[in-house]
Amino acid sequence: DAMVIQNPRYQVTQFGKPVTLSCSQTLNHNVMYWYQQKSSQAPKLLFHYYDKDFNNEADTPDNFQSRRPNTSFCFLDIRSPGLGDAAMYLCATSRDPGDEQFFGPGTRLTVL
Amino acid sequence: EDQVTQSPEALRLQEGESSSLNCSYTVSGLRGLFWYRQDPGKGPEFLFTLYSAGEEKEKERLKATLTKKESFLHITAPKPEDSATYLCAVQARESNYQLIWGAGTKLIIKP
Repeated sequence: DAMVIQNPRYQVTQFGKPVTLSCSQTLNHNVMYWYQQKSSQAPKLLFHYYDKDFNNEADTPDNFQSRRPNTSFCFLDIRSPGLGDAAMYLCATSRDPGDEQFFGPGTRLTVL
Repeated sequence: EDQVTQSPEALRLQEGESSSLNCSYTVSGLRGLFWYRQDPGKGPEFLFTLYSAGEEKEKERLKATLTKKESFLHITAPKPEDSATYLCAVQARESNYQLIWGAGTKLIIKP
């Protein structure tokens, strides 16, 4: 089945220790998104790639970076995680901008 | 300012008791309205896209409708497995990717 896969499902890191979350897709979609979702809140868009074009949301902290080495994979790097970065990180894809987005299962990040 | 408001915040129903969830929106030109279901600890699952007032879509016990100001997600004869948080999101015509999300309605179906 075509799908969006995120690894790991659970990640524990220490305050200030860099962490990388990964996302892969078999849908062959052009757009990949990274969202942050905190408990009982709506997802918050961090950035997205339309093919190789990177788009950063204005309020995304500099601490968050992303890479998309090819169509199938996208990575979220958190350079110096703080306690406030503990959240569920969701990867999503869409065929084109404006189309419905399909989400992965998420990575739950804990910062100690 | 573009905004999405979902009501109620939480809804408890008995199995078989039909009801509706509301998503009210203000946006300068609607490109699309999306409904998602989210189970605890999982990513949102896409349900429906609605594009124009009067449009309706159905899937099993769920039916989504759209007017110029709001959308309803009707759930008919729900079962306990329908328990989840239902999220509504809208996309404005001038934005080709950004979704404006509601806070969700937590639906609990008791057997």
